[in-house]
Amino acid sequence: DIQMTQSPSSLSASVGDRVTITCRASQGISNYLAWFQQKPGKAPKSLIHAASSLQSGVPSKFSGSGSGTDFTLTISSLQPEDFATYYCQQYNSYPHTFGQGTKVEIK
Amino acid sequence: EVQLVETGGGLIQPGGSLRLSCAASGFTVSGNYMSWVRQAPGKGLEWVSIIYNGGSTYYADSVRGRFTISRDSSKNTLYLQMNSLRAEDTAVYYCARVIYGTETYWGQGTLVTVSS
Repeated sequence: DIQMTQSPSSLSASVGDRVTITCRASQGISNYLAWFQQKPGKAPKSLIHAASSLQSGVPSKFSGSGSGTDFTLTISSLQPEDFATYYCQQYNSYPHTFGQGTKVEIK
Repeated sequence: EVQLVETGGGLIQPGGSLRLSCAASGFTVSGNYMSWVRQAPGKGLEWVSIIYNGGSTYYADSVRGRFTISRDSSKNTLYLQMNSLRAEDTAVYYCARVIYGTETYWGQGTLVTVSS
């Protein structure tokens, strides 16, 4: 199975900060990488697919990049509604594995 | 509007069986890839299973042989039959519509608790 490792596991940031989350795959996955946002008690929300393609309706402050084994999710200017846990997922091969999550908290 | 509503969760004893349902609206289940993802209390997301529009299915190693994904076109509903349940199967189970290969639309989830 492909292992997905996110860093950091948690971070504290202020409103307006630029935030970057990293996801590393244990083997190459091309660009078959998705990002999700989850708020407490809610279902995950899809943000990005194919490493860098924004899902419909997702604001452009979210961006993704990377290919192969190393990927990043960037939030350009953190807003109060962005405080949540973020997960990456590889869908290159089964089982489709998720990273352990990155919790973004208010500083 | 795409909507997914899961039902069927509850408290079940170890070794028991449960069937989860996911009623879809706004699209046809049989024409799409559909999946199940679960989340144990306080933990991260775990991919469980997927069914293709053509009927092919795939499972996580942790559930293969115990869980079965299926669908009913007449009811536009996705199912997850769970047998031989274990304490480690305790989780919120989400169904999702898969687009671009990944879970794009999610239901609100249903909680399964396996405990004596």
